[in-house]
Amino acid sequence: EVQLVESGGGLVKPGESLRLSCIASGFTFSSFAMNWVRKAPGKGLEWVSCISGTSASYIYYADSVKGRFTISRDDARNSLYLQMDSLRVEDTAVYYCARLMPGMDVWGQGTTVTVSS
Amino acid sequence: DIVMTQSPLFLPVTPGEPASISCRSSQSLLLSDGYNYMDWYLQKPGQSPQLLIYLGSNRASGVPDRFSGSGSGTDFTLKISRVEADDVGVYYCMQTLQRYAFGQGTKLEIK
Repeated sequence: EVQLVESGGGLVKPGESLRLSCIASGFTFSSFAMNWVRKAPGKGLEWVSCISGTSASYIYYADSVKGRFTISRDDARNSLYLQMDSLRVEDTAVYYCARLMPGMDVWGQGTTVTVSS
Repeated sequence: DIVMTQSPLFLPVTPGEPASISCRSSQSLLLSDGYNYMDWYLQKPGQSPQLLIYLGSNRASGVPDRFSGSGSGTDFTLKISRVEADDVGVYYCMQTLQRYAFGQGTKLEIK
């Protein structure tokens, strides 16, 4: 079964850091570009970051997280990561990882990040 | 940056009736390869988003044929031929031409 499972969410204070993980199974992870998308309370979906498959030849970030978040992948571990530094209250959201096919055709269940003092 | 604008933002529909959601992009999403670089997604209550339509008009695997995507360039439409109770949720268009960006979302509700 094709599956993505996120973890690493939690409650942190503004300015602190958090690292999200997404473990893939059921497909050749290295062949696919991967994305992080978030849904803040009361708001719509927001794309966060994308990393290409095999060799991670391109990486993109939304302007709202550029310079604070870092996406990476470990194809040997079938894992996608999002290092989130200098977190802000407005980063509070459910974070999803998603496979890019074209179209984001497989999504995880999400992990919740809450940034509050 | 490419901005995606959806309308309406709220869509009450009677079961069995058709529904239509519009999405307009701030610049053309049509490339010389003939593809329109936009997708449609649905997020049902309490669930992760799911892909409905990719590259403007291609139905994703497992998506009922009641759903169809059309349009080109800057104007796109998602149509549901006959709305069912299970179709409730928030529908999003997303451009994939320059990085990625979602529209604001359209909340479909059953009357």
